[in-house]
Amino acid sequence: KNEVEQSPQNLTAQEGEFITINCSYSVGISALHWLQQHPGGGIVSLFMLSSGKKKHGRLIATINIQEKHSSLHITASHPRDSAVYICAVRQAAGNKLTFGGGTRVLVKP
Amino acid sequence: NAGVMQNPRHLVRRRGQEARLRCSPMKGHSHVYWYRQLPEEGLKFMVYLQKENIIDESGMPKERFSAEFPKEGPSILRIQQVVRGDSAAYFCASSLTDTNEKLFFGSGTQLSVL
Repeated sequence: KNEVEQSPQNLTAQEGEFITINCSYSVGISALHWLQQHPGGGIVSLFMLSSGKKKHGRLIATINIQEKHSSLHITASHPRDSAVYICAVRQAAGNKLTFGGGTRVLVKP
Repeated sequence: NAGVMQNPRHLVRRRGQEARLRCSPMKGHSHVYWYRQLPEEGLKFMVYLQKENIIDESGMPKERFSAEFPKEGPSILRIQQVVRGDSAAYFCASSLTDTNEKLFFGSGTQLSVL
């Protein structure tokens, strides 16, 4: 079993829909990152969380440390949100990130 | 303030040749991480370096791979005697400190081994 599991693997939405991506992990962590990888391959860090909730524009990320679970929400989705969204955890001991397999999101106009 | 710069963007090598991938972190950042993304797979940690020191190389293959981050100049990921299985996208990221900090990623180097 992978230490970081994401669901769903693929998601198709109509423009304007609310999107939720889930991330579960099985190890103790010091922080969780949400990353966005566009079709061209570049990676952008969206959020880094260690507790609670963060919001940036139409994106909201939450984390529940007790349940070892995080969600990324996209409100009023737009075709430009089409990308792969990756959850990554920094384990409590050490500096390296362990990555989920990614969720491929396609938003249709 | 330029972001993390990786070059080249694309690198083609024949089997047995050497590949050198370069990463210049964001200005002021002294912590560099290298990750590999194999085709149709997720990202995997390779190595974490600070200036002149390798802190964690637990994700890097023991043979043929090496990394450095000298006092002056970019971080280099070196792959000797490349094989087809080394074909992947290699990403570098940097951070200001080694505590929980946002990471800034480069655009990656796509290595293709013929």
